[in-house]
Amino acid sequence: AQSVAQPEDQVNVAEGNPLTVKCTYSVSGNPYLFWYVQYPNRGLQFLLKYITGDNLVKGSYGFEAEFNKSQTSFHLKKPSALVSDSALYFCAVRDFSGGGADGLTFGKGTHLIIQP
Amino acid sequence: NAGVMQNPRHLVRRRGQEARLRCSPMKGHSHVYWYRQLPEEGLKFMVYLQKENIIDESGMPKERFSAEFPKEGPSILRIQQVVRGDSAAYFCASSPSGSDLYEQYFGPGTRLTVT
Repeated sequence: AQSVAQPEDQVNVAEGNPLTVKCTYSVSGNPYLFWYVQYPNRGLQFLLKYITGDNLVKGSYGFEAEFNKSQTSFHLKKPSALVSDSALYFCAVRDFSGGGADGLTFGKGTHLIIQP
Repeated sequence: NAGVMQNPRHLVRRRGQEARLRCSPMKGHSHVYWYRQLPEEGLKFMVYLQKENIIDESGMPKERFSAEFPKEGPSILRIQQVVRGDSAAYFCASSPSGSDLYEQYFGPGTRLTVT
């Protein structure tokens, strides 16, 4: 079975500071990893994904994430936070070995709050 | 290119009634996924469909829930005899291929309230 853990319910960062939102995963095979963002009363918007290749993945709105196989982590980062980045962030995984369900497995989400 | 469309956006049903949620995938997408989001929870996978086929329903409750994706028209998630515990946001996502290489594009969701 595959699973995702987002250990922080909430992350507070001052505007202009770097931000990190943590994610660890567990799969039986090799993972496909995703980050999505959700604004209030909206659907999820895709930010970035890791499939294979370079461990550092760049995505939308200046976000990036680093895949670390030894630590089974896929933390989301941004060098300089904006107030508009405040939202709910979800990490998701899919085990492409085919052992799991065909849908994505999501973490519980992390509220990111950027303070002016 | 319109995104994934879901309707209604809000649905109120009394206990015991039926709820029908509709999802129109993005143009050119033939794969649809349904997820349920409970308050303060992440999304939980329910079912994966292609046109006229259910591919994976491992996340669907065994009773009262069904899904279809006909050759013509939107995908439908149907909940019979709703109970208060069915209150949640239901999201549909689509992708152009079942390959894991493609991210899933999500609709705005349907918020179901059971009174």
